[in-house]
Amino acid sequence: TQLLEQSPQFLSIQEGENLTVYCNSSSVFSSLQWYRQEPGEGPVLLVTVVTGGEVKKLKRLTFQFGDARKDSSLHITAAQPGDTGLYLCAGHGGSQGNLIFGKGTKLSVKP
Amino acid sequence: GAVVSQHPSRVICKSGTSVKIECRSLDFQATTMFWYRQFPKQSLMLMATSNEGSKATYEQGVEKDKFLINHASLTLSTLTVTSAHPEDSSFYICSAPWGGHEQYFGPGTRLTVT
Repeated sequence: TQLLEQSPQFLSIQEGENLTVYCNSSSVFSSLQWYRQEPGEGPVLLVTVVTGGEVKKLKRLTFQFGDARKDSSLHITAAQPGDTGLYLCAGHGGSQGNLIFGKGTKLSVKP
Repeated sequence: GAVVSQHPSRVICKSGTSVKIECRSLDFQATTMFWYRQFPKQSLMLMATSNEGSKATYEQGVEKDKFLINHASLTLSTLTVTSAHPEDSSFYICSAPWGGHEQYFGPGTRLTVT
C-alpha cells in the first residue's frame, strides 16, 4: 500500500516568516500534486510535479520533487495571512487511478 | 484548468431519508470520477471510483448498498446516501481526472443528518 507522510500537521506562524512542508513516501510516484483547501470548499490544484528533481515556482511558493520521485516539498517565502489553509500533497498511483493523499498541513499565518 | 461542479453545496436531511449529490464536469468529459469523504480537520478519504458505463468500485469498508453511485453520462456522476444516519454527516467531495496526472475537485457538499 502506498502511503504519503506529510509534515508538519499543524503550523502557526507570523506574517513574513518562511516555512516548508514535507511529503515523504517509501514508494515511487509517477507524479505528485499539491492542493490548497479552504474550509467548506474543495481542494484547488496548485502544481503538479512529474520529473525527479523538478523545481516549480508559483510566486512565493516553491515546489520540489525528489530525485527518486518519493518525496516532495513546498516552501513558502514571506508568508501572508492569505496563505492560511489546508495544504495537501497527493500522489498519482492508486489502483483505480486515484490520488493518494497525505494527511494535510493546516497552516495559519497571523498578521 | 477544468471545472467540476457539485450540487447541492449544503443539505440537511432527517435520519432515515435518502440524499442525492450530483457531480458534473462542466467543460470536459470524464469516464471516471472519484468520490471522497472528509471529516473535520482531516484529509480526504477515497470512498469509491465511479465508472461511466460500468459498476462503481468501492474502497474497503464502504458499503455499496448505502452509498449508491451512478455514472449516468460522461459529465455526470451521482452519489446517493440511502437511509442516512447522523454518522453519515460529513463533507463529500468529488473529483475528475483531466490532462493526464491531474484531478480537479468539486466544491464539496456538506451533509448534515438530524
